[in-house]
Amino acid sequence: DAGVTQSPTHLIKTRGQQVTLRCSPKSGHDTVSWYQQALGQGPQFIFQYYEEEERQRGNFPDRFSGHQFPNYSSELNVNALLLGDSALYLCASSYGQGTDEQYFGPGTRLTVT
Amino acid sequence: RKEVEQDPGPFNVPEGATVAFNCTYSNSASQSFFWYRQDCRKEPKLLMSVYSSGNEDGRFTAQLNRASQYISLLIRDSKLSDSATYLCVVSGGSYIPTFGRGTSLIVHP
Repeated sequence: DAGVTQSPTHLIKTRGQQVTLRCSPKSGHDTVSWYQQALGQGPQFIFQYYEEEERQRGNFPDRFSGHQFPNYSSELNVNALLLGDSALYLCASSYGQGTDEQYFGPGTRLTVT
Repeated sequence: RKEVEQDPGPFNVPEGATVAFNCTYSNSASQSFFWYRQDCRKEPKLLMSVYSSGNEDGRFTAQLNRASQYISLLIRDSKLSDSATYLCVVSGGSYIPTFGRGTSLIVHP
């Protein structure tokens, strides 16, 4: 039973560039949530996708956008990268709308220089 | 006041000790509560849900106090492998989950 997978593992980008991160949910899960985790902090909720629509959104600017595909996988896009966007980006999957009992992927570590 | 607050620690305890962490939350409408464990540079892993009646899983016990708006995690007979950061998560009716910054536990021989 495959768990949550994310790609790439690491990424280095330059300020102003755009980045796309990918996530495949755990088998049987249909909901994907994205989080940003800065060093020494807890994960911060970016948004959640269910039935291919953004259902909930945290306090993040419009530079952060996403998509969910019919197979439930998801992408996180960040435009106009800032130095402060450097963080671990975590994807979590769950079943049904809501965020109960989430399972996290290993994350993508993004460094913006 | 932050929505979810945890003492960052570190809590430094010997093997076999009992240790307890608290997590306070500000939104009285919160409905779902969880504890996650995160090892260094790894993803968070669900440790246990927290129910109003309290729940136990082996050496771990979680409690919810709605009146005082906090949840707790008790670890008995600490093992070296329990060393990690423990994150509490609180979700309200809108299902937007809020994580605490985590409490670091170091169990030493």
